[in-house]
Amino acid sequence: AQKVTQAQTEISVVEKEDVTLDCVYETRDTTYYLFWYKQPPSGELVFLIRRNSFDEQNEISGRYSWNFQKSTSSFNFTITASQVVDSAVYFCALSEAESGGYNKLIFGAGTRLAVHP
Amino acid sequence: AAGVIQSPRHLIKEKRETATLKCYPIPRHDTVYWYQQGPGQDPQFLISFYEKMQSDKGSIPDRFSAQQFSDYHSELNMSSLELGDSALYFCASSLDGGETDTQYFGPGTRLTVL
Repeated sequence: AQKVTQAQTEISVVEKEDVTLDCVYETRDTTYYLFWYKQPPSGELVFLIRRNSFDEQNEISGRYSWNFQKSTSSFNFTITASQVVDSAVYFCALSEAESGGYNKLIFGAGTRLAVHP
Repeated sequence: AAGVIQSPRHLIKEKRETATLKCYPIPRHDTVYWYQQGPGQDPQFLISFYEKMQSDKGSIPDRFSAQQFSDYHSELNMSSLELGDSALYFCASSLDGGETDTQYFGPGTRLTVL
């Protein structure tokens, strides 16, 4: 069965520190998609990135970077030089393409990141 | 760019009442998803529609029903409300539900059942 584990419940850092949010997933499908969403205190869910299972290339977008490793079933997210505005709950999510289900997202429990000035 | 619109943003109901939540997807998006997020929890998939047909069903109570209309907007109808239904309800939309694509979420409807 599919599962997403975010072992870090809460992380607290001081501004300008680098921080990595861990995500480990389980799936039997060979074709699947991984996502990160940000949920700031205002409550909306903001899409950050999608990665498909055939693309293990790491990605960098500004201060954000993602490391996808199929060998360890991990899709970790790093924020470089964190800022107070990065404070939010971050969700990792999985969507399977072969098991049917038209792409419903399976979310991890989320990691609450607090960045202090 | 246009985003997913949800209405109302906040809703307060009494136990055993009914509620209707509305979702207007991003223009040209053909797939709509509904998720429920309880306090301090991750979003849980309820139901989805592709081209006005139900495409998948999650842990949606029998008291809830939903549909997608000809203009692609969707409504989630909730009857016999219980205290445990208090949650943030998200609608998301994507283009081409036949293959995995990115779901963009609306701002959510916060339902409080008293």
